[in-house]
Amino acid sequence: NAGVMQNPRHLVRRRGQEARLRCSPMKGHSHVYWYRQLPEEGLKFMVYLQKENIIDESGMPKERFSAEFPKEGPSILRIQQVVRGDSAAYFCASSPLGGSRGYTFGSGTRLTVV
Amino acid sequence: GIQVEQSPPDLILQEGANSTLRCNFSDSVNNLQWFHQNPWGQLINLFYIPSGTKQNGRLSATTVATERYSLLYISSSQTTDSGVYFCAVGTDGNKLVFGAGTILRVKS
Repeated sequence: NAGVMQNPRHLVRRRGQEARLRCSPMKGHSHVYWYRQLPEEGLKFMVYLQKENIIDESGMPKERFSAEFPKEGPSILRIQQVVRGDSAAYFCASSPLGGSRGYTFGSGTRLTVV
Repeated sequence: GIQVEQSPPDLILQEGANSTLRCNFSDSVNNLQWFHQNPWGQLINLFYIPSGTKQNGRLSATTVATERYSLLYISSSQTTDSGVYFCAVGTDGNKLVFGAGTILRVKS
């Protein structure tokens, strides 16, 4: 049973480009959560999705960021027109029934904006 | 929103020593977890402990919910214990609020 798979592990983008981060939840998990970790800080919640639905996006920046979790395929966190301040580690977690107790985290994607 | 404070911010131990990490939170919670982030960045769930005491090998944790704090004990530390330890709390059943972490370095 593969864990939560995130790719790419490392992503370098120039300012103004788009970044697409992918998260494949554990088998049987239909709830996905995205968190961002800025350098030397704790993780901060961004968005909670179920298949085809955004449940809670209270932590998402209002502009340039979007997330989806389609019926088929991985969840995607998309950042348009990246800026240096977007450089961070982005973690995805999944759970089978919803709820933070059952979280399993992926290994993260480290985004560097140059 | 709820505040989570961890102490100490960083800690250096000689291999074999014991340590206690603390997590204070500002409101009632229905979820409290301890995570270890290893030097490669991977997050490992150590304990789900909204109240009470649990032990797993050399690690144990205690949460006193009425006084809004939790403690993580590491005994006979090893170099592989190095990394960042995060306390995270939840109030709505879904998202977690993380503390800033304790950076632990264990020297051989």
